[in-house]
Amino acid sequence: QIVVTQEPSLTVSPGGTVTLTCASSTGAVSSGYSPNWFQQKPGQAPRALIYSTDNKHSWTPARFSGSLLGGKAALTLSGVQPEDEAEYYCLLYYGGAHWVFGGGTKLTVL
Amino acid sequence: QVQLVQSGAEVKKPGASVNVSCKASGYIFTSSYMQWVRQAPGQGLEWMGMINPNGGTTSYAPNFQGRVAVTRDTSTSTVYMELNSLTSEDTAVYYCARGRYDSTGYYSDYWGQGTLVTVSS
Repeated sequence: QIVVTQEPSLTVSPGGTVTLTCASSTGAVSSGYSPNWFQQKPGQAPRALIYSTDNKHSWTPARFSGSLLGGKAALTLSGVQPEDEAEYYCLLYYGGAHWVFGGGTKLTVL
Repeated sequence: QVQLVQSGAEVKKPGASVNVSCKASGYIFTSSYMQWVRQAPGQGLEWMGMINPNGGTTSYAPNFQGRVAVTRDTSTSTVYMELNSLTSEDTAVYYCARGRYDSTGYYSDYWGQGTLVTVSS
């Protein structure tokens, strides 16, 4: 059973910078896992933010960026806005058309 | 513009089956695969499976193998997800999400609005 682990919760001040990470129970996350990041606000469907480690969708605000950090996938928010308060999920690809979501990180902007 | 429109909420009894549809528009249906994801109340996202509409090849998460079936109708650009032997633990919002592959890798971009399935006796 593959487990993808994210920080359960993080708090950041408005205008600050925060990094969320995504680890795999199978070992170091690489670009081959095609890390995707999604934002979900209460009562809404998830919204795609980052794909294939560090690529932004056309609608992704510039303050969001993706990377690989210390064997994990990472999502960094720079210049955090109050509207960034949400749940964030990573999604990793394990080959054979098989994907696993992380447990999600609840980001509080305070 | 890409749109994924899902069928309406369902209420089912334990042991029954549910069929949720996802109608795609705004792109070439067979050019992208479709994933199914669910979210139980207050819980995280769970990947269930996917279909390649170009040929109908499917792949399912181990937790759902044998209990879920994803099919497609290319004439109506619609993907269907059937889940059998429902229990109360299957109460969740079910989402379809478009998946693609390019030189950067695999990714999901557009999502349906979600379909609430409630399993209750």
